[in-house]
Amino acid sequence: NAGVTQTPKFRVLKTGQSMTLLCAQDMNHEYMYWYRQDPGMGLRLIHYSVGEGTTAKGEVPDGYNVSRLKKQNFLLGLESAAPSQTSVYFCASRPGGMVSTDTQYFGPGTRLTVL
Amino acid sequence: GNSVTQMEGPVTLSEEAFLTINCTYTATGYPSLFWYVQYPGEGLQLLLKATKADDKGSNKGFEATYRKETTSFHLEKGSVQVSDSAVYFCALTSYNQGGKLIFGQGTELSVKP
Repeated sequence: NAGVTQTPKFRVLKTGQSMTLLCAQDMNHEYMYWYRQDPGMGLRLIHYSVGEGTTAKGEVPDGYNVSRLKKQNFLLGLESAAPSQTSVYFCASRPGGMVSTDTQYFGPGTRLTVL
Repeated sequence: GNSVTQMEGPVTLSEEAFLTINCTYTATGYPSLFWYVQYPGEGLQLLLKATKADDKGSNKGFEATYRKETTSFHLEKGSVQVSDSAVYFCALTSYNQGGKLIFGQGTELSVKP
């Protein structure tokens, strides 16, 4: 099993450009998450999904959109990139159910720079 | 709302020294508590967790005890190694919140030979 994979690993954008980050998991997990990591701020939740076809906003959703058309994939889109979106983006997944103690499994991250 | 506060880093220790990284939290209800570790250039991995008061999580020589009376979950290790150099994140999640994790800001640990 590959676990959680993210594509691409690195990307440089110019202000105003758009791009999509792909997260894929092969563990049949129901829940998937997108976080951003910034120095001194830990990880903050952008959007999440509790199942195929569903999405919900997290703590910092502005400027991002997401889609979960297939259970194994969770896409994060930036329609018009801004320098404030320079960050490291992590995807995570976990099994379903109401037990909130399930471990989240993280991908290796995507380092995005917006000039 | 829920929040997690960690001691600021970076923390620099010599090999075989004792490690403590403080973590306190604010939460309603009965959160589950986690320590995640991020090695250089990698994603986060679960190090240990505790799901109720007085539980002790342990893994790879690290321990943390869920203290509800002091709302704390401090990470300890008796003898650190160079390979423990990483960033450590304390986090919590609460029942019925979709398993969302709330992270502290992270503490960078550097262990010198």
